[in-house]
Amino acid sequence: DIVMTQSPDSLAVSLGERATISCKSSQSVLYSSNNKNYLGWYQQKPGQPPKLLIYWASTRESGVPDRFSGSGSGTDFTLTISSLQAEDVAVYYCQQYYSSPHTFGQGTKLEIK
Amino acid sequence: EVQLVESGGGLVQPGGSLRLSCAASRFIFTTYAMSWVRQAPGKGLEWVSAISGSGGGTYYADSVKGRFTISRDNSKNTLFLQMNSLRVEDTAVYYCAKVMASTGAVFDAFHIWGQGTKVTVSS
Repeated sequence: DIVMTQSPDSLAVSLGERATISCKSSQSVLYSSNNKNYLGWYQQKPGQPPKLLIYWASTRESGVPDRFSGSGSGTDFTLTISSLQAEDVAVYYCQQYYSSPHTFGQGTKLEIK
Repeated sequence: EVQLVESGGGLVQPGGSLRLSCAASRFIFTTYAMSWVRQAPGKGLEWVSAISGSGGGTYYADSVKGRFTISRDNSKNTLFLQMNSLRVEDTAVYYCAKVMASTGAVFDAFHIWGQGTKVTVSS
């Protein structure tokens, strides 16, 4: 199984500042035949289901503000929020869908400093 | 608007069974793979199972293999999760999720999620 490890577990950032969350996979999730990284990022607010933010590691889902961006390849990935807004307080998860089981990271709780 | 509505959760004793359903609407159900993801109280997300659009391919987490069965009725636009031999550690909110692309393949991000149904396993 591919193990997904996020860091940090929690993060406090001031409004308007940059937030960066790391996600590492225990093996590559880059599929060589199509050069796609099978990696997604989700945002979950209390009492709500998760919401897809980023897929293929760096493609922003429709309607997601452009302050959210994803980067990385192979085994190392990053979710960046360029200018934190109050509504971004949530838990963020990465997930690999390269192979079964489609494992999630443990989550990163993002708060306002 | 695409919609997924889960049902079938509830309180069950250890060793018991439950069948969850996920009613899908406003998309061509048979062309999309579907998954179940659960979240124990205060914990993170755990992928449980996936099924291809045709229903011919099924996948399970080791924690549920042999106890849970995923299936779908494409004529009724409904996804199921039959849960047998339930354990206390199966207590969670269970979400169904639809993948992004209409290829029928399971190896894809989860585009749309239902609101979840709560399963409590307790004596």
